Amino acid sequence: QKEVEQNSGPLSVPEGAIASLNCTYSDRGSQSFFWYRQYSGKSPELIMSIYSNGDKEDGRFTAQLNKASQYVSLLIRDSQPSDSATYLCAVNAGNNRKLIWGLGTSLAVNP
Amino acid sequence: EAGVVQSPRYKIIEKKQPVAFWCNPISGHNTLYWYLQNLGQGPELLIRYENEEAVDDSQLPKDRFSAERLKGVDSTLKIQPAELGDSAVYLCASSLGGDSPLHFGNGTRLTVT
Repeated sequence: QKEVEQNSGPLSVPEGAIASLNCTYSDRGSQSFFWYRQYSGKSPELIMSIYSNGDKEDGRFTAQLNKASQYVSLLIRDSQPSDSATYLCAVNAGNNRKLIWGLGTSLAVNP
Repeated sequence: EAGVVQSPRYKIIEKKQPVAFWCNPISGHNTLYWYLQNLGQGPELLIRYENEEAVDDSQLPKDRFSAERLKGVDSTLKIQPAELGDSAVYLCASSLGGDSPLHFGNGTRLTVT
């Protein structure tokens, strides 16, 4: 059973702090990794995609991938109250291109 | 670039009634997905299309759910008859295929009473 696991939270951080969201996956053959943000009552919105080991930065967001340890993380610098949402991790597991979703981590940024 | 368009945004029906959802993907996206999402859960794949071919419908409850993607562009998802447990958000997404990310529409919130 291919799995993607996330801490459900809620993760609570003060405004301006760094929020760190983690995701582990079970299929070593996974090749592509995505972070989506989902506000309450809205649909998932792509934040970051990462395909190679290491860090990928986009504005206040940094995705970190470590295939050897089978985890991918998302760092949000200078967290804002508008970052309060559920963050979903999705992993493309295997040659059949099936995307496996985590249950999401709820983030609350407190003013 | 226009995003994925879904309609309707909300639908309330009585159990045993039929319902249909429509999706128009991003232009040029040959891969189209229908997902179901319950509160506090991640999206669950119902069906994936590559052009007009359904390449993964293993999670589609075929006794009551059906889908089509005529001409490889727009798609329709139908439930007949609806059950109380079908109340959820139905999401359509599209991508360029392969390892490309998915882009979601606004979803249809279905309530079955």
